[in-house]
Amino acid sequence: EIVMTQSPVTLSVSPGKRATLSCRASQSVGSNLAWYQQKPGQAPRLLIYGASTRATGIPARFSGSGSGTEFTLTISSLQSEDFAVYHCQQYKKWPLTFGGGAKVEIK
Amino acid sequence: QVQLQESGPGLAKPSQTLSLTCTVPGDSISSGDYFWNWIRQPPGKGLEWIGYIHYGGSTYYNPSLKSRVAISVDTSKNQFSLSLSSVNASDTAVYYCARETYCIGGSCSRSSYFDQWGQGTLVTVSS
Repeated sequence: EIVMTQSPVTLSVSPGKRATLSCRASQSVGSNLAWYQQKPGQAPRLLIYGASTRATGIPARFSGSGSGTEFTLTISSLQSEDFAVYHCQQYKKWPLTFGGGAKVEIK
Repeated sequence: QVQLQESGPGLAKPSQTLSLTCTVPGDSISSGDYFWNWIRQPPGKGLEWIGYIHYGGSTYYNPSLKSRVAISVDTSKNQFSLSLSSVNASDTAVYYCARETYCIGGSCSRSSYFDQWGQGTLVTVSS
């Protein structure tokens, strides 16, 4: 199965600053990569699919990039509601697999 | 806003079978426009995809769980269900049901990412 590795595990960022999260796949997944946001006690919410397409209703400060094995989620100016855990997921091959998650916390 | 809703016992004993149901609003299941999935998250850990079902009954399971998993659908009740047998402590997790959109405006293509989720239900395996 394809192993997804996220880094860093925890990112401390001040409100209004930029956050950059990485996701690496153990083999190429093309652009078949999604990002989710999860707040404590809540279900994940789809942010990005196709590596760079924002899901419906997702603010423009969220952007995704990359292809193959290296992907990035960028939050351009962190708002208070953005402090959460972010998960990447590949859907190139079965079984579908997720990264371990990356927490963005307030600095 | 679609609201998927998981239900089922919050406690299961080791070696027994865990059973959960996800209720889908409206007639979304019968439309055939979606695939319906189960995903779990052990406390403090990442997400693990368990498997999917389509309304016609086609299923696919994570090979790591395949020998113990069954997903079924009841279109008359707008529900799909998860059965996980021979559970042990490592099966303790929040279990989510989630939707994958397959058809939009008559055009169908597997997406295999999840655009709607239930709120999740914690199942603890303990004697």
